[in-house]
Amino acid sequence: GQSLEQPSEVTAVEGAIVQMNCTYQTSGFYGLSWYQQHDGGAPTFLSYNALDGLEETGRFSSFLSRSDSYGYLLLQELQMKDSASYFCAGLRRDDKIIFGKGTRLHILP
Amino acid sequence: GAGVSQTPSNKVTEKGKYVELRCDPISGHTALYWYRQSLGQGPEFLIYFQGTGAADDSGLPNDRFFAVRPEGSVSTLKIQRTERGDSAVYLCASSATGATEAFFGQGTRLTVV
Repeated sequence: GQSLEQPSEVTAVEGAIVQMNCTYQTSGFYGLSWYQQHDGGAPTFLSYNALDGLEETGRFSSFLSRSDSYGYLLLQELQMKDSASYFCAGLRRDDKIIFGKGTRLHILP
Repeated sequence: GAGVSQTPSNKVTEKGKYVELRCDPISGHTALYWYRQSLGQGPEFLIYFQGTGAADDSGLPNDRFFAVRPEGSVSTLKIQRTERGDSAVYLCASSATGATEAFFGQGTRLTVV
């Protein structure tokens, strides 16, 4: 089967750090991506992990552990504009992309 | 084009009618994906193309849904005998061969009344 599980909502404070988790059961798995989607907008790519470990891009970091079928997205120095939904997505070896249901991030001032 | 273009942006149709949704991917992108997204949910996979052929259509909910990509560029998602449950935002995305990043269009919001 193919599924990716994410908590439905997370709340954090402006300026703080937040971690959003993703666990998956995906056959033929190749890598894990993260996308951001603001209300009314299209999903936009944030990061991709093909190998175990941490990938850092500015305030955003993404982690993958294949042995644990687990990944997370870490956002630092939270800003109000980071309020959005965040989706993990599994990339299969045949290039099919499957999305989780997403975590809605609420940021408090 | 500069990005993935989807038309129309909004479509209201009566139950039982036929609709076509168009996706114009980024030039040169071989992979094209269709997803359906309901409010508060993640994109639900429908079908994806590599070039002109449907590599995987396992997400199409039933035989009322069909998609084509005859020349390996523009794709059309076709829905026959629309039902109120088909109401959703239909998203199209494209990516280059071997790429890990998919680029999404703004979607078509379909409302069946």
